[in-house]
Amino acid sequence: AQSVTQLDSQVPVFEEAPVELRCNYSSSVSVYLFWYVQYPNQGLQLLLKYLSGSTLVKGINGFEAEFNKSQTSFHLRKPSVHISDTAEYFCAVSDGSGGSNYKLTFGKGTLLTVNP
Amino acid sequence: DAGVTQSPTHLIKTRGQQVTLRCSPKSGHDTVSWYQQALGQGPQFIFQYYEEEERQRGNFPDRFSGHQFPNYSSELNVNALLLGDSALYLCASSLWGYYFPNTGELFFGEGSRLTVL
Repeated sequence: AQSVTQLDSQVPVFEEAPVELRCNYSSSVSVYLFWYVQYPNQGLQLLLKYLSGSTLVKGINGFEAEFNKSQTSFHLRKPSVHISDTAEYFCAVSDGSGGSNYKLTFGKGTLLTVNP
Repeated sequence: DAGVTQSPTHLIKTRGQQVTLRCSPKSGHDTVSWYQQALGQGPQFIFQYYEEEERQRGNFPDRFSGHQFPNYSSELNVNALLLGDSALYLCASSLWGYYFPNTGELFFGEGSRLTVL
């Protein structure tokens, strides 16, 4: 069975500061990894995904994440945050089965609050 | 291009009642998945429909059932509601038949918030 642990439930930062949201996963098979963002009263929007290849993945809104297989981590980073980045961020894993396996296992989320 | 639409956006039910939630997938998508997001938690997979059949199911009791229609839209039904069923129910659509996830991506709706009193 897969599981995802987001190590921080809340991360407060000041505007223009860098931020890292931590995510660790456990899986007995190869995985695909995702970060989603959820703004208040909205659904989930995909930020970025790791499928294969380069371990550094770039996404929308200036976010990037690095896949580290040995540490089973997929931390999300942004060099300079804006007030508008305030949202809940979810890390998710899929077991990467062939075909159309769209079953995602999500972490509990990290609330990023950007203060002026 | 319409995204994933869900209805209703909010609803209140009492224990023991039944509820039906509806989802229209993004244009061109043929697969619908449902997730439950309790307050302060990440979404949990309920089940997935393709070609009007349930293809995968998460760890949810039989009180949770679904349906997919020929136009790919879907319904989630919950019977004998419990207080613990209060949550945001998210629908996600995708395209079957691609080698996931090289080209596929889950698109989520804004959810239906269910409150059980």
